[in-house]
Amino acid sequence: GAVVSQHPSWVICKSGTSVKIECRSLDFQATTMFWYRQFPKQSLMLMATSNEGSKATYEQGVEKDKFLINHASLTLSTLTVTSAHPEDSSFYICSAPSRAGELFFGEGSRLTVL
Amino acid sequence: AQSVAQPEDQVNVAEGNPLTVKCTYSVSGNPYLFWYVQYPNRGLQFLLKYITGDNLVKGSYGFEAEFNKSQTSFHLKKPSALVSDSALYFCAVRGLNYGGSQGNLIFGKGTKLSVKP
Repeated sequence: GAVVSQHPSWVICKSGTSVKIECRSLDFQATTMFWYRQFPKQSLMLMATSNEGSKATYEQGVEKDKFLINHASLTLSTLTVTSAHPEDSSFYICSAPSRAGELFFGEGSRLTVL
Repeated sequence: AQSVAQPEDQVNVAEGNPLTVKCTYSVSGNPYLFWYVQYPNRGLQFLLKYITGDNLVKGSYGFEAEFNKSQTSFHLKKPSALVSDSALYFCAVRGLNYGGSQGNLIFGKGTKLSVKP
């Protein structure tokens, strides 16, 4: 079946630094990918829709300058958390729809900002 | 606005017993409903979906869900629970601006299922 890979799975960084998280569709092409954020014991919140070849679409309340999204190719989207602060610590999950429209999720990336 | 509600934070079941994880929804138009499972520090795995057709939907790992339009519910069920079913379960509905895919999903808060031996 279709697979979506996220890297890194875990990342710890110092406050003020930037962190990049990659989301790859391994055996299918995805013109659209989605980035979610999950707080402990809470649900997933859609942050933004990543569009290949164009700007990402951000959900209301999500700072686009804080969470930079680049959809470099049909199989890769990246989320960069810029100038990270402890409140940015969270579990970030990406997903991509297959050609049939079924959504596949990455394994998630846990960010801890010290 | 599209929304789903999972009224239970946690469900405890003994292994071998039937389990039910509840979900109710509120949508504009026809509901496109989904169930996902999440194991600790992992992404979400698709279990099943209701788009149209039979109200009883069968999915992965022996799970099924029943779409009930009059009660606006989509409860997840399994006849005989396994310890390995212990995980976090999310009900989801497709958002209005879905762009033709499942992408814009609105998730419930999740229900933690604990199956004891």
